[in-house]
Amino acid sequence: EAQVTQNPRYLITVTGKKLTVTCSQNMNHEYMSWYRQDPGLGLRQIYYSMNVEVTDKGDVPEGYKVSRKEKRNFPLILESPSPNQTSLYFCASSRGQGYTFGSGTRLTVV
Amino acid sequence: GQQLNQSPQSMFIQEGEDVSMNCTSSSIFNTWLWYKQEPGEGPVLLIALYKAGELTSNGRLTAQFGITRKDSFLNISASIPSDVGIYFCAGLGRLGGSEKLVFGKGTKLTVNP
Repeated sequence: EAQVTQNPRYLITVTGKKLTVTCSQNMNHEYMSWYRQDPGLGLRQIYYSMNVEVTDKGDVPEGYKVSRKEKRNFPLILESPSPNQTSLYFCASSRGQGYTFGSGTRLTVV
Repeated sequence: GQQLNQSPQSMFIQEGEDVSMNCTSSSIFNTWLWYKQEPGEGPVLLIALYKAGELTSNGRLTAQFGITRKDSFLNISASIPSDVGIYFCAGLGRLGGSEKLVFGKGTKLTVNP
């Protein structure tokens, strides 16, 4: 089944403790992206990647890092999480114009 | 960052009623997409529109790509309880030198049986 898989689905962590949210797609898509979803603000793009080893900032990149060492994986890294990064995160991938989203990661930073 | 103006923000309707929502932008887009998000899940693509003026249906859903390429609407006919969710429009276009997918803030739909 074609899908985007994120892990974990839920995570509660403490301020300053580094964490990684993984994202993997099995559709051989070149393009991958991370979004955060907050009430009243919709989906905002954090980082995106046009292909392996090519990443670029989205609209809200501060406090996040990404890497794209392989086509299928696009992990989101929070080196020092803060409470304002509490949010619902989605990974998406695309080859052309239709984006496929993962099921989301709900992150709480206390 | 660029966002689309999506309206209404929320709708409360009775089962069987028709629904209409729309998105507008000051920017031109090459593609308009409509997504539905159910609680605890990621957005799922409903309809994709690729040409100005295009009208596309998917079951009880109909969407149109505005002739100016700056707007789109989604209609749902004869709503049913499982239509409940948040509907997002998204525009794909060249913004700031790169191709970007920009989302509206969503329309939350509640259907009363």
